[in-house]
Amino acid sequence: QKEVEQDPGPLSVPEGAIVSLNCTYSNSAFQYFMWYRQYSRKGPELLMYTYSSGNKEDGRFTAQVDKSSKYISLFIRDSQPSDSATYLCAMLTGGGNKLTFGTGTQLKVEL
Amino acid sequence: NAGVMQNPRHLVRRRGQEARLRCSPMKGHSHVYWYRQLPEEGLKFMVYLQKENIIDESGMPKERFSAEFPKEGPSILRIQQVVRGDSAAYFCASSPEGRETQYFGPGTRLLVL
Repeated sequence: QKEVEQDPGPLSVPEGAIVSLNCTYSNSAFQYFMWYRQYSRKGPELLMYTYSSGNKEDGRFTAQVDKSSKYISLFIRDSQPSDSATYLCAMLTGGGNKLTFGTGTQLKVEL
Repeated sequence: NAGVMQNPRHLVRRRGQEARLRCSPMKGHSHVYWYRQLPEEGLKFMVYLQKENIIDESGMPKERFSAEFPKEGPSILRIQQVVRGDSAAYFCASSPEGRETQYFGPGTRLLVL
């Protein structure tokens, strides 16, 4: 079993839709949770960073962490075609230094 | 403020040759990480370095791969005697002291013929 599971998609939604992206994990030592966006043939771009459980909002993006269920989510409101990319969840243990990534969910926002 | 810089962006090598990948961290960042992304797979941690020190190399293959981050100059990931299975995108990330957030460069795409 992988430490971090992520549905690879692809996920196709119409412009303006609310998108929900999710990851589950098995390692209860993870304390830091990140979401990265990766456009085709580019490097991952840090979108959101959350410590422990709770919600964090930044513009159209909301990150949620539920440590009791070992489940994290990224919500994108009013999705745009420019949001079309692969979204990677990543996690870090407390005091750790190596990110553990999900395999990424490919999102396409259609006009 | 320039981001993480990597060069070359694309590298083609024949089997048995050496590949050298360079990474310059963001200004003010003293921690460097290397990750590898194979086709259809997620990013996998390889090594974590600070200036002149390898802190964690638990993700590095035992043979042919080495990394350094000298006092002056960029971090180097070196792959000796490349094989076709080394073909992948190699990403470097950096972070400032005491921070968990890692910022990635554009990657080097290595193709072994």
